Amino acid sequence: AQSVTQLGSHVSVSEGALVLLRCNYSSSVPPYLFWYVQYPNQGLQLLLKYTSAATLVKGINGFEAEFKKSETSFHLTKPSAHMSDAAEYFCAVTEKTGANNLFFGTGTRLTVIP
Amino acid sequence: DSGVTQTPKHLITATGQRVTLRCSPRSGDLSVYWYQQSLDQGLQFLIQYYNGEERAKGNILERFSAQQFPDLHSELNLSSLELGDSALYFCASSVRRGSEQFFGPGTRLTVL
Repeated sequence: AQSVTQLGSHVSVSEGALVLLRCNYSSSVPPYLFWYVQYPNQGLQLLLKYTSAATLVKGINGFEAEFKKSETSFHLTKPSAHMSDAAEYFCAVTEKTGANNLFFGTGTRLTVIP
Repeated sequence: DSGVTQTPKHLITATGQRVTLRCSPRSGDLSVYWYQQSLDQGLQFLIQYYNGEERAKGNILERFSAQQFPDLHSELNLSSLELGDSALYFCASSVRRGSEQFFGPGTRLTVL
């Protein structure tokens, strides 16, 4: 069964500091992996996706994530946090075959301190 | 703007009632997915349709049903509503398997 675990339901960083949001997946085969962001009272917006091409994936707003099969991880990073990055971030996984519905992690709320 | 539209934006109703949520996918997307977001359950997949046919079912209650029409819009029907059904309901669409899903703004359902 597909699942993802996001470590840390809340992460606080100072403006300009590194952002690191952790995601580990559980899957019998390498899946497709996604990071979505949700701003207050809005829907989910795709930040980036891994679909078995390059293991380092660059997304929007300066975010990137690295797929590490040996660690079953897909952590999200951004070198320098901006106040506008404050939001909830969801890691999601889907299988490559069959139905491709998303299985979401529990989310990490990012707070950026000025 | 993802291109996925959902109506209504907010819905307040009473226990035991029935409501219908509507979703229009992005132009060209054949797959529609429904998700429920609640404080206690997080984001959960409910059901998927592809070109009018049900493709996959997740944690969808028997009181809930959905369909996708020939014009590809979809409706999620929730009946015999309970307080615990209060949640954000999202619709998403994608063009093919493995491609990213684009989410609508959601419908916030409040059951009183």
